[in-house]
Amino acid sequence: EAAVTQSPRNKVAVTGGKVTLSCNQTNNHNNMYWYRQDTGHGLRLIHYSYGAGSTEKGDIPDGYKASRPSQENFSLILELATPSQTSVYFCASGDAGESSYEQYFGPGTRLTVL
Amino acid sequence: GDQVKQSPSALSLQEGTNSALRCNFSIATTTVQWFLQNPRGSLMNLFYLVPGTKENGRLKSTFNSKESYSTLHIRDAQLEDSGTYFCAADITGNTRKLIFGLGTTLQVQP
Repeated sequence: EAAVTQSPRNKVAVTGGKVTLSCNQTNNHNNMYWYRQDTGHGLRLIHYSYGAGSTEKGDIPDGYKASRPSQENFSLILELATPSQTSVYFCASGDAGESSYEQYFGPGTRLTVL
Repeated sequence: GDQVKQSPSALSLQEGTNSALRCNFSIATTTVQWFLQNPRGSLMNLFYLVPGTKENGRLKSTFNSKESYSTLHIRDAQLEDSGTYFCAADITGNTRKLIFGLGTTLQVQP
């Protein structure tokens, strides 16, 4: 069964509305990440977390918040959604061990902001 | 995309032929990951590399940290190999974040 899951898989939101994207991992990894994928930019890091209670800014954090309430769950929050945030969002988990930092990705969430 | 450059950007192959994809890095890179994004959009892990070479079936990948590049060789291409291949650099430091290239879109034709 899939080790990193995301919900919802598709979302249509209105400008100015609040959107929460959820991610769950069963890998027991300490690190979790949120990326967005846009044509011409590839995947870019928004926020990441080293463990429950921690959130860190990635390369493009403006307009986004993150929450890591537990080892398994990591949420991405758009308080005031804008059309420029229309994108495909990927969550990933990765180990923090010395032997491997491989990241594993969820199936993605397609968000459209109208 | 500037820190991790993939080439070619697109590629068409006949079934049964071989090819190589390349990533060049302009940043200090500790490890490299290769992914295949299938037509449904899912990212499948292909390789996680420290400097050296790994092989898995018809795929073989090399990471040369001294010359700052990585290659992915596809042997005997099959229709199911079609999709977009991404390399990602795990940059030196404590963040352990990935910097992605823009991808190589591969179409395998019968």
